[in-house]
Amino acid sequence: KNEVEQSPQNLTAQEGEFITINCSYSVGISALHWLQQHPGGGIVSLFMLSSGKKKHGRLIATINIQEKHSSLHITASHPRDSAVYICAVGFFGNEKLTFGTGTRLTIIP
Amino acid sequence: NAGVMQNPRHLVRRRGQEARLRCSPMKGHSHVYWYRQLPEEGLKFMVYLQKENIIDESGMPKERFSAEFPKEGPSILRIQQVVRGDSAAYFCASSERNTEAFFGQGTRLTVV
Repeated sequence: KNEVEQSPQNLTAQEGEFITINCSYSVGISALHWLQQHPGGGIVSLFMLSSGKKKHGRLIATINIQEKHSSLHITASHPRDSAVYICAVGFFGNEKLTFGTGTRLTIIP
Repeated sequence: NAGVMQNPRHLVRRRGQEARLRCSPMKGHSHVYWYRQLPEEGLKFMVYLQKENIIDESGMPKERFSAEFPKEGPSILRIQQVVRGDSAAYFCASSERNTEAFFGQGTRLTVV
């Protein structure tokens, strides 16, 4: 059974804090995605990773293939970063994505 | 280059009616995926289609649900004889093979 675990489930932080969200998966994957979803809103793809590290603005995503683990970091967090962050993986030979349950992030001004 | 377009954004149906959800993939994308997000739950895969072919429908309920992606026009997710348990957000994503998937804004179906 393919499984994707995210932690924490909920995270509340003060504006400006450094944020880390974690994702672990159980079998070999072809790619890992980090997605953002605002309440009642659509889903935005933030990153697609198969190795190493990617950076976009204040967002950084890393993946460790050997440890089957990825992290999403947000530097200098802002209230507009408040959203649900979802980790999703694609497995070799399988085009569909399997999703974690999401991390609900709230940034307090 | 417009993104993935889904319509309608919101759909209200009475029990027993049919719901048709449409998804136009990004230009140049030939892979379409449908996912369902039940209230307070995570996203779950439903079906993966390429033009005129269903590649993987392992996540589709066995009855009342069907999907197509014709040679011309959008992909359609069809739910017949809707029940209250079908109320959910339905998201479509498109990609090319082994590339990043882009998601639409979703269709929020409410069955009353």
